[in-house]
Amino acid sequence: RKEVEQDPGPFNVPEGATVAFNCTYSNSASQSFFWYRQDCRKEPKLLMSVYSSGNEDGRFTAQLNRASQYISLLIRDSKLSDSATYLCVALNTGGFKTIFGAGTRLFVKA
Amino acid sequence: NAGVMQNPRHLVRRRGQEARLRCSPMKGHSHVYWYRQLPEEGLKFMVYLQKENIIDESGMPKERFSAEFPKEGPSILRIQQVVRGDSAAYFCASSPSDSREAFFGQGTRLTVV
Repeated sequence: RKEVEQDPGPFNVPEGATVAFNCTYSNSASQSFFWYRQDCRKEPKLLMSVYSSGNEDGRFTAQLNRASQYISLLIRDSKLSDSATYLCVALNTGGFKTIFGAGTRLFVKA
Repeated sequence: NAGVMQNPRHLVRRRGQEARLRCSPMKGHSHVYWYRQLPEEGLKFMVYLQKENIIDESGMPKERFSAEFPKEGPSILRIQQVVRGDSAAYFCASSPSDSREAFFGQGTRLTVV
């Protein structure tokens, strides 16, 4: 079983749609969680951190459920520029490494 | 404050040659991670280093691959006797500690011909 698993995708949505990405992690020792965005042939860039209380940044909302070992990312009012691969990340300080999910591709169409 | 710098951006090697990939972390960052990304695939952890120490190399192939992060200078990922299957994008990331988010360099795209 992969340490971090994500929806396989791709997600094809029209502009203005709301889309949700899900992610589960297997290591209960994971301490910190993040969502990264990666554009084609570019490096991953931090989108937002994920907290147990949930956090929101504009059209993006991230949630963490430690009991279920589940992370989510919600994008409201999708834009064409949101098209990218979204990577779920768990940081295991016990094992000293950052584990990336395989990513979920999002295509937003006009 | 410059970001994570990787060089070269593109590297072409013939089978059997050596490839050296360099990564200079962000200023003040002492933790370096290396990842490999094959075409159309996700990021795969390779190795985690702090200055002069390899902390976790569980993602490194057992042969031909090595990494270092000396007291002075950049972190180096070295691939000896490259094969076609080594062709990939190699990303380096750095963080100020092991509990903070990592920032990525632009990657080195290795092509083995």
